[in-house]
Amino acid sequence: DGGITQSPKYLFRKEGQNVTLSCEQNLNHDAMYWYRQDPGQGLRLIYYSQIVNDFQKGDIAEGYSVSREKKESFPLTVTSAQKNPTAFYLCASSLSGSTGELFFGEGSRLTVL
Amino acid sequence: RKEVEQDPGPFNVPEGATVAFNCTYSNSASQSFFWYRQDCRKEPKLLMSVYSSGNEDGRFTAQLNRASQYISLLIRDSKLSDSATYLCVVNMVAGTYKYIFGTGTRLKVLA
Repeated sequence: DGGITQSPKYLFRKEGQNVTLSCEQNLNHDAMYWYRQDPGQGLRLIYYSQIVNDFQKGDIAEGYSVSREKKESFPLTVTSAQKNPTAFYLCASSLSGSTGELFFGEGSRLTVL
Repeated sequence: RKEVEQDPGPFNVPEGATVAFNCTYSNSASQSFFWYRQDCRKEPKLLMSVYSSGNEDGRFTAQLNRASQYISLLIRDSKLSDSATYLCVVNMVAGTYKYIFGTGTRLKVLA
């Protein structure tokens, strides 16, 4: 079955530690995205990537970093510079060059203690 | 003004009721429109795309009004399982990957 796999589903970290969230897709989509969702708020775009080895900042990129070395993979690192990292993180993908739907992974819930 | 606005609700309706949600968007050049459903602590899932001519999928009907810049979702014969948050999503400009999400409207269907 095609889809997007995020791991881990739940993650607890101490303040000041960097954490990396994994996102893998087998949909053969060129575009991949990372969103953050906080309670009572809409999804906010952190980073997106249209092709391998290229990515752009979204609306709230500060304190985050990404890489896109393979088409299937788009990991997100939450660095210690992110002031309020506790949130629900969602990875998504879409066909390149289209205005079609976004497909989401199941999300990773990060709690910083 | 927010780029995409929704009434947060909650909308509490009895089973069998008809309920409608609206979503307004600010950019008149917006290209594509979607309704997603999100259950508590889960990922959003596509409910339906919204086409210019309007479209229906079973009990769900979506409409687009470009002149007034809003989209709507109508749910007929509500079921308990329809209880969720409904997200309005707008793709602002073709090919720019800029999908804007509303904050969502919570629906509770009561027995």
